[in-house]
Amino acid sequence: DTAVSQTPKYLVTQMGNDKSIKCEQNLGHDTMYWYKQDSKKFLKIMFSYNNKELIINETVPNRFSPKSPDKAHLNLHINSLELGDSAVYFCASSQDLKPPLHFGNGTRLTVT
Amino acid sequence: AQSVTQPDIHITVSEGASLELRCNYSYGATPYLFWYVQSPGQGLQLLLKYFSGDTLVQGIKGFEAEFKRSQSSFNLRKPSVHWSDAAEYFCAVGLNTGGFKTIFGAGTRLFVKA
Repeated sequence: DTAVSQTPKYLVTQMGNDKSIKCEQNLGHDTMYWYKQDSKKFLKIMFSYNNKELIINETVPNRFSPKSPDKAHLNLHINSLELGDSAVYFCASSQDLKPPLHFGNGTRLTVT
Repeated sequence: AQSVTQPDIHITVSEGASLELRCNYSYGATPYLFWYVQSPGQGLQLLLKYFSGDTLVQGIKGFEAEFKRSQSSFNLRKPSVHWSDAAEYFCAVGLNTGGFKTIFGAGTRLFVKA
């Protein structure tokens, strides 16, 4: 019974394409996040949403557009993919805007 | 600027030996403090957390961590390492900056030798 699930697990695409990653949590949390983990394992927050409202937008290029249709879902759409977008993207959730975070298993995006 | 420092990129210990992973943070007040573990191909799993109170906190899998305010440190320890503990370990701080943000250290990769 997965708590935070992301799809797809792997995503290989070419530069210039548009792709989406989906995230769902069944923990009843009201806050969701996207983190990016680069090739050196460094984790950086991209966005957070609370009850479908954008709370944190951490100077991410506007090619990245998160969408939260309800508090259990947070999707990430990426336009015009670039080589530098290759990374592992993690979705996470928490309650009341506070840590700790509960993470999904990540989506490995490879842009060729 | 707020930061989290894990000075050891990787550490190798023998199975059964004790372990200490170092973490220092730079922040004006005492933040929330966490240790997470990431196994290959997996997400991050919370090992333990410190919000307030007793400065020695117990976590899952036999791990503990001690908060030392004077040193701005939150080191992770385990008395006897098992081969299954080999993984990447991340120290993190939770900061309220008009929306809680969890900031991660660069991670320490733990290798366990037989």
